[in-house]
Amino acid sequence: DSGVVQSPRHIIKEKGGRSVLTCIPISGHSNVVWYQQTLGKELKFLIQHYEKVERDKGFLPSRFSVQQFDDYHSEMNMSALELEDSAMYFCASSLFQGNSDYTFGSGTRLLVI
Amino acid sequence: GEQVEQLPSILRVQEGSSASINCTYENSASNYFPWYKQEPGENPKLIIDIRSNMERKQTQGLIVLLDKKAKRFSLHITDTQPGDSAMYFCAASVNTNTGKLTFGDGTVLTVKP
Repeated sequence: DSGVVQSPRHIIKEKGGRSVLTCIPISGHSNVVWYQQTLGKELKFLIQHYEKVERDKGFLPSRFSVQQFDDYHSEMNMSALELEDSAMYFCASSLFQGNSDYTFGSGTRLLVI
Repeated sequence: GEQVEQLPSILRVQEGSSASINCTYENSASNYFPWYKQEPGENPKLIIDIRSNMERKQTQGLIVLLDKKAKRFSLHITDTQPGDSAMYFCAASVNTNTGKLTFGDGTVLTVKP
């Protein structure tokens, strides 16, 4: 049973740099959301895609963009990284938009130095 | 949107006693209320949820109560064990909409042996 797969698990980038985070949802899930968690605190909603279309956007900085592809995997492109972007980034998937039975990936820990 | 308030932020209980976490929400259209447990360095895992057509749900030592009138829901862990020590998050969503989860700020539960 492959759950939601995120890569890389850990990444260190310099301030001003770029990074790409990848999320592969559970097979059959076409609804993917991204959350940011700083210092183990609240989970902040960033963005949601369903069937390759952006459906809802939350705290996603304009320096970041997210795309969902034909196979429903999602990529977050992060540019002009700032120190405060250091966080855990979780993606989660569910069967369809409006279905909140999300399964979370293991997360990507981003450290900006 | 939705805002979810969660209290307490820190909870310490003796092994064998019960622990209660309370959440309130603002959007009366919210109809799905999951609870997640997150251990250090891990992803959030769904432990129990309740939908708006129910007032009470129980599973394996966990009880969730929902008071739609007061827009309040709570998690009760009975007979706590050291393994229950973790961060707990409540969340709310409007399942008929995007299904985005709005999380509370989390409760750090410590169960003392």
